[in-house]
Amino acid sequence: AQTVTQSQPEMSVQEAETVTLSCTYDTSESNYYLFWYKQPPSRQMILVIRQEAYKQQNATENRFSVNFQKAAKSFSLKISDSQLGDTAMYFCAFMKLRDDKIIFGKGTRLHILP
Amino acid sequence: NAGVMQNPRHLVRRRGQEARLRCSPMKGHSHVYWYRQLPEEGLKFMVYLQKENIIDESGMPKERFSAEFPKEGPSILRIQQVVRGDSAAYFCASSPRTDIGNIQYFGAGTRLSVL
Repeated sequence: AQTVTQSQPEMSVQEAETVTLSCTYDTSESNYYLFWYKQPPSRQMILVIRQEAYKQQNATENRFSVNFQKAAKSFSLKISDSQLGDTAMYFCAFMKLRDDKIIFGKGTRLHILP
Repeated sequence: NAGVMQNPRHLVRRRGQEARLRCSPMKGHSHVYWYRQLPEEGLKFMVYLQKENIIDESGMPKERFSAEFPKEGPSILRIQQVVRGDSAAYFCASSPRTDIGNIQYFGAGTRLSVL
């Protein structure tokens, strides 16, 4: 069975700083998808970034980028120039290719301080 | 294009009552997924439906829980005879299923509180 582990329950950083959220996963699959979702206080789940495991290039979306290490089964999220609106729970997630269920980690609560 | 709409946002039930949670997918999406989020936990998959069909219900509790996605109207997650342990946030997601690794777009969830 696949598992997703987020080892940092909570983090705080100053506005404009860079922060990295850690995620490791366990799978025997060779092809799969990895995601980072953001859940602000409104509880809406928002897709931040998606990585396809068969692509070696790390995905980026504006201030958000990932460090995907397939051999180490690591998928960290870097937020550059952090903003107050980045305050949220961040969930790392996994999905097998040709599957329908997303498997989520327990989340990291990120506070951006003014 | 409106997003995934869930209602109600908050639902309070007493033990033994029934809870009905509704989800209208994004326009053009025919695939619906339900997830449950317990306090301080990540989301857990419950069921995947297409119009009039349950495709994967491997995450659904065996008793009291059911889901449907009729030809017309929203998808419904139904919990009969609710117990305190059913208190959670229930999220619905939808996708167009136009490609492999389809992106699931989530609604804002329904928070169920069982008294």
